[in-house]
Amino acid sequence: DTGVSQDPRHKITKRGQNVTFRCDPISEHNRLYWYRQTLGQGPEFLTYFQNEAQLEKSRLLSDRFSAERPKGSFSTLEIQRTEQGDSAMYLCASSSLEGQVMGNTIYFGEGSWLTVV
Amino acid sequence: AQTVTQSQPEMSVQEAETVTLSCTYDTSESNYYLFWYKQPPSRQMILVIRQEAYKQQNATENRFSVNFQKAAKSFSLKISDSQLGDTAMYFCASDGGTSYGKLTFGQGTILTVHP
Repeated sequence: DTGVSQDPRHKITKRGQNVTFRCDPISEHNRLYWYRQTLGQGPEFLTYFQNEAQLEKSRLLSDRFSAERPKGSFSTLEIQRTEQGDSAMYLCASSSLEGQVMGNTIYFGEGSWLTVV
Repeated sequence: AQTVTQSQPEMSVQEAETVTLSCTYDTSESNYYLFWYKQPPSRQMILVIRQEAYKQQNATENRFSVNFQKAAKSFSLKISDSQLGDTAMYFCASDGGTSYGKLTFGQGTILTVHP
């Protein structure tokens, strides 16, 4: 059984370029989340999918950010026209839907580090 | 809005001793879950322990236990018999009563276990 995998693990890009991160959740997990974590801080919620539907987006997710989960399996997070303030670790997580039970365990990936220079 | 506060940026402990990490939170919900996550250096975040607000009994997982004070909105983590592998950043988090995994995290506490 593999955990949540993210690719690439590290990305250095020039300001203004577009970047895309991919997340493969644990198989059979129908909930998928993206969080952002800056150095020395706790993760901040960005967005949430249940199957292929994007059900919530944080105000942190500006117009330059878009996330998709086209077939309810893997997900991509694209950042257009990157800015230095986008430098952070982007964490993907997944969980299963157990009859709307609260407190489901959320499993995190190792994250994708983005450095914008 | 929900807030989670960890007031100890760094803690250290000797191997085999006990350490307590503090966390306070604020939510208007009556039922919610609280979590402690561990993030070792350059490693993924893993769940250490969770507590349902409706349960009076404090959660325990082997060497890890919590002291949940609902009225005070306090949720501390006690690590007994500390091991070198416990060295990590520890995050307190709350789901704010959502039925899905929207977590609000604290700022984290760096714990160093010394031999």
